[in-house]
Amino acid sequence: QQQVKQSPQSLIVQKGGISIINCAYENTAFDYFPWYQQFPGKGPALLIAIRPDVSEKKEGRFTISFNKSAKQFSLHIMDSQPGDSATYFCAAGNQAGTALIFGKGTTLSVSS
Amino acid sequence: EAGVTQSPTHLIKTRGQQATLRCSPISGHTSVYWYQQALGLGLQFLLWYDEGEERNRGNFPPRFSGRQFPNYSSELNVNALELEDSALYLCASSRAGTGTYNEQFFGPGTRLTVL
Repeated sequence: QQQVKQSPQSLIVQKGGISIINCAYENTAFDYFPWYQQFPGKGPALLIAIRPDVSEKKEGRFTISFNKSAKQFSLHIMDSQPGDSATYFCAAGNQAGTALIFGKGTTLSVSS
Repeated sequence: EAGVTQSPTHLIKTRGQQATLRCSPISGHTSVYWYQQALGLGLQFLLWYDEGEERNRGNFPPRFSGRQFPNYSSELNVNALELEDSALYLCASSRAGTGTYNEQFFGPGTRLTVL
């Protein structure tokens, strides 16, 4: 019940295309859903996060879509660029400040 | 504002030895989280400290332990090292332990290699 399932494991997108990464959770106590971006040799960097009171959040080229009834959320990267090539992790947590539960990650490659 | 810092960057130990990893949180953050990132396994939660107290621990054996100091920095100790402890150990900090949405900011990690 504590798992967060992330797909796909890897993704190759052409420059300018849309990258879509999906996550699903089971624990309805989760009320905070961040996405992290990690480059090789670096720690994960907080990219964007959403709370379940909204269905979508957009920051620049990055958009989170959230479906509370389906217990799913996704990251959309519009106009994908080679510099977006990284590993992306979804996570879930709650307001109590407990640890985040991470998906296993998606390795994105944007080809030029 | 300085980010989360971790030391050392790399650590090489042999099986059976002890490892000590250190983390300094962002100024003003009182919570520190430790995660293990082993190859292909994503990030696994290890320990959470807030205001000097251990608040929660993940599904790891007791030889993984730590503490948080009065200045909110933290130390992770791994005793009786095993080969499978080889991983990137990440520290994250957040502004408060409870009552806020849990924005966690990560350091660059310590790469532990057990030979």
